[in-house]
Amino acid sequence: DAGITQSPRHKVTETGTPVTLRCHQTENHRYMYWYRQDPGHGLRLIHYSYGVKDTDKGEVSDGYSVSRSKTEDFLLTLESATSSQTSVYFCAISLTGKGSYEQYFGPGTRLTVT
Amino acid sequence: AQSVTQLDSQVPVFEEAPVELRCNYSSSVSVYLFWYVQYPNQGLQLLLKYLSGSTLVKGINGFEAEFNKSQTSFHLRKPSVHISDTAEYFCAVSTTNTGNQFYFGTGTSLTVIP
Repeated sequence: DAGITQSPRHKVTETGTPVTLRCHQTENHRYMYWYRQDPGHGLRLIHYSYGVKDTDKGEVSDGYSVSRSKTEDFLLTLESATSSQTSVYFCAISLTGKGSYEQYFGPGTRLTVT
Repeated sequence: AQSVTQLDSQVPVFEEAPVELRCNYSSSVSVYLFWYVQYPNQGLQLLLKYLSGSTLVKGINGFEAEFNKSQTSFHLRKPSVHISDTAEYFCAVSTTNTGNQFYFGTGTSLTVIP
């Protein structure tokens, strides 16, 4: 258990509304990630962070923004939600730089955009 | 970018039979390799990892995987499966020059038949 929580765990929202998902970690890890999981696609990286206020885009970043104002929190925002953003979103942390490189995942947020 | 191919999207197998889940990757540089398991409505859990050294790595729940550099493969095996092994399995790769980014396969759904 890497001390990762995600909130909310489930959300239903309407097309065009803004949505923010929160990832919180308790172990001061430097690297944090947001993925989306869709059938037939596995996990795809949306954005990642390598420190406070340091973020970069992943494979599927269009329509998403992120912020990290403190080490423990990494926020994912859908500025104007679309039905194509209906998915399960996972946050992860990485142990990179501590002798191993695996990522540990949160429990996920199921988002439905109607 | 790296790519990961999981050749079988679904694998049914009878209880107590052996199983192999296949994973191939494309990379021209040294890699780190991982297998994750996802039980229904849960996050991803690390099964095992290859960073360096012995090409045969052992993980949790009796699983093992073999790194084959010449064939760019990292197949997952278990000699005797249980009903509780029914889950989705994901192969992931990161490279030594981008150790913080993961690339996932599309997953293999393992169903163990009583």
